[in-house]
Amino acid sequence: KAGVTQTPRYLIKTRGQQVTLSCSPISGHRSVSWYQQTPGQGLQFLFEYFSETQRNKGNFPGRFSGRQFSNSRSEMNVSTLELGDSALYLCASSLYTTDTQYFGPGTRLTVL
Amino acid sequence: DAKTTQPNSMESNEEEPVHLPCNHSTISGTDYIHWYRQLPSQGPEYVIHGLTSNVNNRMASLAIAEDRKSSTLILHRATLRDAAVYYCILITLEKLTFGTGTRLTIIP
Repeated sequence: KAGVTQTPRYLIKTRGQQVTLSCSPISGHRSVSWYQQTPGQGLQFLFEYFSETQRNKGNFPGRFSGRQFSNSRSEMNVSTLELGDSALYLCASSLYTTDTQYFGPGTRLTVL
Repeated sequence: DAKTTQPNSMESNEEEPVHLPCNHSTISGTDYIHWYRQLPSQGPEYVIHGLTSNVNNRMASLAIAEDRKSSTLILHRATLRDAAVYYCILITLEKLTFGTGTRLTIIP
């Protein structure tokens, strides 16, 4: 079974731009969660989608949004990028919310 | 909201057991306790999870206190490959709550 894939793996943007990151979960998994990881803040939960519905949301500003498609693939969008948004963005999929989460390799976003 | 507290760092000698603690004093009855670890330059990987009873798998054991307000991840015989950041996470259908993680250093 193929693992969780994330695209792109690396991205460089400038302040004020917006960015869309993509996550393809393991086949059959219906839950997709997104995380931000920075050296200073560690691993922080962004949001979780299950069957196209946002089920959980972390404590991030409205500039961070996401969606999930009928095939369980998910995208997250960050608008009006700030320098502090530079981070590794991780996606994880699971069968259901409380099940084992399988993480992708992440997208490294650099904001200049 | 439920929160988890972990020591920032721990050290252990190679081939000795390691006990990684996590406090979750405000845990609710429906919170599952998950442990993940993150090796350098990799995404987190699942280690073990439980609800009320102690659990064992090929990687580790999870000991859950009777009142569920704390849990301990046990690595029975640490190797250098176990050096990682270990996260204790509470998961329910409504929310996911992360600990700050414990950086485990293994001393050869």
